[in-house]
Amino acid sequence: ETGVTQTPRHLVMGMTNKKSLKCEQHLGHNAMYWYKQSAKKPLELMFVYSLEERVENNSVPSRFSPECPNSSHLFLHLHTLQPEDSALYLCASSQRRGGGHNEQFFGPGTRLTVL
Amino acid sequence: DQQVKQNSPSLSVQEGRISILNCDYTNSMFDYFLWYKKYPAEGPTFLISISSIKDKNEDGRFTVFLNKSAKHLSLHIVPSQPGDSAVYFCAATLRGSNYKLTFGKGTLLTVNP
Repeated sequence: ETGVTQTPRHLVMGMTNKKSLKCEQHLGHNAMYWYKQSAKKPLELMFVYSLEERVENNSVPSRFSPECPNSSHLFLHLHTLQPEDSALYLCASSQRRGGGHNEQFFGPGTRLTVL
Repeated sequence: DQQVKQNSPSLSVQEGRISILNCDYTNSMFDYFLWYKKYPAEGPTFLISISSIKDKNEDGRFTVFLNKSAKHLSLHIVPSQPGDSAVYFCAATLRGSNYKLTFGKGTLLTVNP
């Protein structure tokens, strides 16, 4: 595997279900991100992990729970979601360097539908 | 309120001609700008970037222009190719928060053979 991979690619769940999205990066990066892309909206940053510590949490509802067990893996645990949470969830990684800018590399996304 | 705006949801051009994608921003603290390209069923891929200390950056067929006084940047693709058909996202980062990308809604570019 190369780059950033995400599983599953598609997920349909009921509002009472619990599921998890998985992301893995094979680039040796030290930062990982979760984004949400809803229809006709820009990508919204949800969470940022740098060196496995959460450094950003953009007021995301507690029904989304991230986990970063190591620098290569990132999870998004989902429970009691609402239909408006249906969206494309994108994972990204980057190599954070002090004072410098660096691009983020994205996975293909998980298309989530909440019924 | 959107800080990065791409006011054209779509653009259609002929193969071989120039494609110009526009982006406006409102936050004068943005100091680095990026363009990403996204094909269906794939994640966005980085295309080209520009620092606020520059007004132009070129990479092959792709050139990004930055007009800080107008808070405007544009991506030029010349010559356009059918394989360039994709959604193009403009993004910006704030000085001191270089990991946090603020994205526009994207522009769908269609290059017709």
